[in-house]
Amino acid sequence: EPEVTQTPSHQVTQMGQEVILRCVPISNHLYFYWYRQILGQKVEFLVSFYNNEISEKSEIFDDQFSVERPDGSNFTLKIRSTKLEDSAMYFCANTGAESRYQETQYFGPGTRLLVL
Amino acid sequence: AQKVTQAQTEISVVEKEDVTLDCVYETRDTTYYLFWYKQPPSGELVFLIRRNSFDEQNEISGRYSWNFQKSTSSFNFTITASQVVDSAVYFCALSEVLGGSEKLVFGKGTKLTVNP
Repeated sequence: EPEVTQTPSHQVTQMGQEVILRCVPISNHLYFYWYRQILGQKVEFLVSFYNNEISEKSEIFDDQFSVERPDGSNFTLKIRSTKLEDSAMYFCANTGAESRYQETQYFGPGTRLLVL
Repeated sequence: AQKVTQAQTEISVVEKEDVTLDCVYETRDTTYYLFWYKQPPSGELVFLIRRNSFDEQNEISGRYSWNFQKSTSSFNFTITASQVVDSAVYFCALSEVLGGSEKLVFGKGTKLTVNP
């Protein structure tokens, strides 16, 4: 099974600080997603990204969040000024090149973010 | 709107018992995909199966089997002869196609505990 990797695995930050979560997608995959899971709750969609543009975002993905592929390979999620309620597990996911609708989204291992 | 309901919050069984995890979904699309993911205590999301809305054949993979019934909008997951390693949270998810959204909508998950 293809593997998505994420760094860091854990991050602790102070409220108001900026954090950048990184994802290394599966090679040749073109569609990227971020999801989050608040402890004990369900997994929620944040944003999808294709061809260097956001293709869809949820209500959660407000102006504090941004995504980019800074070097054409890594895919990052930035939270500009973290709040306590941003504490969650953040998952990156990819799908393949042919059609995002026909592919399985493979998830990375997640980054557990704790905002103090 | 899309919705996935996993009514069973927690299930506890003894090893070697069979267990069925229920999933009921709502969608207005005629074309969609259903998924099951496993989240072990380590936290990652492990893909188990994808089923498209036109394929109602049941699937078996080792001790795992899935029963897809469009008439009742259900996609149930059965583990036969459960093992301790099956202990995890299991998420059912839905992805619509014609609605133009590629996001996965997850249920709240069912926590399965298999006791020795």
